[in-house]
Amino acid sequence: GENVEQHPSTLSVQEGDSAVIKCTYSDSASNYFPWYKQELGKRPQLIIDIRSNVGEKKDQRIAVTLNKTAKHFSLHITETQPEDSAVYFCAASIWVPGRRALTFGSGTRLQVQP
Amino acid sequence: EPEVTQTPSHQVTQMGQEVILRCVPISNHLYFYWYRQILGQKVEFLVSFYNNEISEKSEIFDDQFSVERPDGSNFTLKIRSTKLEDSAMYFCASGRTWDRGRRNSNYGYTFGSGTRLTVV
Repeated sequence: GENVEQHPSTLSVQEGDSAVIKCTYSDSASNYFPWYKQELGKRPQLIIDIRSNVGEKKDQRIAVTLNKTAKHFSLHITETQPEDSAVYFCAASIWVPGRRALTFGSGTRLQVQP
Repeated sequence: EPEVTQTPSHQVTQMGQEVILRCVPISNHLYFYWYRQILGQKVEFLVSFYNNEISEKSEIFDDQFSVERPDGSNFTLKIRSTKLEDSAMYFCASGRTWDRGRRNSNYGYTFGSGTRLTVV
């Protein structure tokens, strides 16, 4: 089955700096890659996702890049703010109608220092 | 914004007891899922449900687990005989179909707020 590795496990940045979180996946058939933000004790919330037919997607301060050949994808957060502090999970999935189980990475705890 | 709702938010149960976790998915969603997250660990897939049947399940989802959509709106996870290691946060999620024509749309899941299950 799919295996998703995520690095780093913790990341501390100064407010205003950029943060980059990287993930690799093992199954070349995976075609959907979402990123979730989880604040302490709360549900994972989708912040951005990318499908395998595009290499990059941007939404304001957040961007995701995908390299299908190397089987890795990254989350980029620019101009970080203290409210960006949370655990971020990447995930991968093979989308088949009715079957879209996500395999999650182990998470990155991002701390933005004011 | 539509939400996936889960009840109860916290359940404490004795080892060996049966528990039912309840979820109300978003009304126009067609795909339903249960995930769990042991404290401090990553989110793990349990089961997906589509067209009134299980479409995929993980090795975690053994015979003590079952899912049901009894009335067209609720989606339940039953754990027949709870064990200490079942203690976790259980998240329900729902998703809609993926429109191949819309390149830049987000089509991820929406997770519920979770049920924290504590087995003592």
